[in-house]
Amino acid sequence: AQKVTQAQTEISVVEKEDVTLDCVYETRDTTYYLFWYKQPPSGELVFLIRRNSFDEQNEISGRYSWNFQKSTSSFNFTITASQVVDSAVYFCALKSLEMSGSARQLTFGSGTQLTVLP
Amino acid sequence: KAGVTQTPRYLIKTRGQQVTLSCSPISGHRSVSWYQQTPGQGLQFLFEYFSETQRNKGNFPGRFSGRQFSNSRSEMNVSTLELGDSALYLCASSLGSSGSGDTQYFGPGTRLTVL
Repeated sequence: AQKVTQAQTEISVVEKEDVTLDCVYETRDTTYYLFWYKQPPSGELVFLIRRNSFDEQNEISGRYSWNFQKSTSSFNFTITASQVVDSAVYFCALKSLEMSGSARQLTFGSGTQLTVLP
Repeated sequence: KAGVTQTPRYLIKTRGQQVTLSCSPISGHRSVSWYQQTPGQGLQFLFEYFSETQRNKGNFPGRFSGRQFSNSRSEMNVSTLELGDSALYLCASSLGSSGSGDTQYFGPGTRLTVL
């Protein structure tokens, strides 16, 4: 079975602080994709990044960076110099290509509510 | 390119009624998936349609159904509404089916309230 764990339910930081959102996943498959989505209060899930299981390179996009470590089954997300507009719920998700049926759909973590205070 | 659109954005229904939600995918995308989001259960997969065929179905009762049209637009229907069906229903589209690693792009959702 697949599972995604986001142990941090809520995080609160002051603007300009750096913050890391943790994501730990479980899968027996070797071919899979990991995703991060942002859900602002409006409700829409906004795609942030996709990473396949064979690419462990870390990625940086502006103030966002992602650290993928297969050895610890983690795919953590760091926001540098956080801003109030970063306040949202962030979801980590896993998709396996080796399984069949509904297991091929996105398996989401429970999300981390990030609040950035001015 | 326009994103995924969902209509209506908000719905209020009473128990026992039925409801139809609509989703228009990103142009060129052939796969549409539906998810239910509730505070208690989080994001749960409902079903996926690709080329007008249901490819996968999540663990939901038969009251939840859907279909996809030749232009890839999709509808989902919930019959005999229950209080527990109150949720945000999210539609996502992707270029390929669930067998690919294509990214799913989500719409703004339809918030259904059952009284």
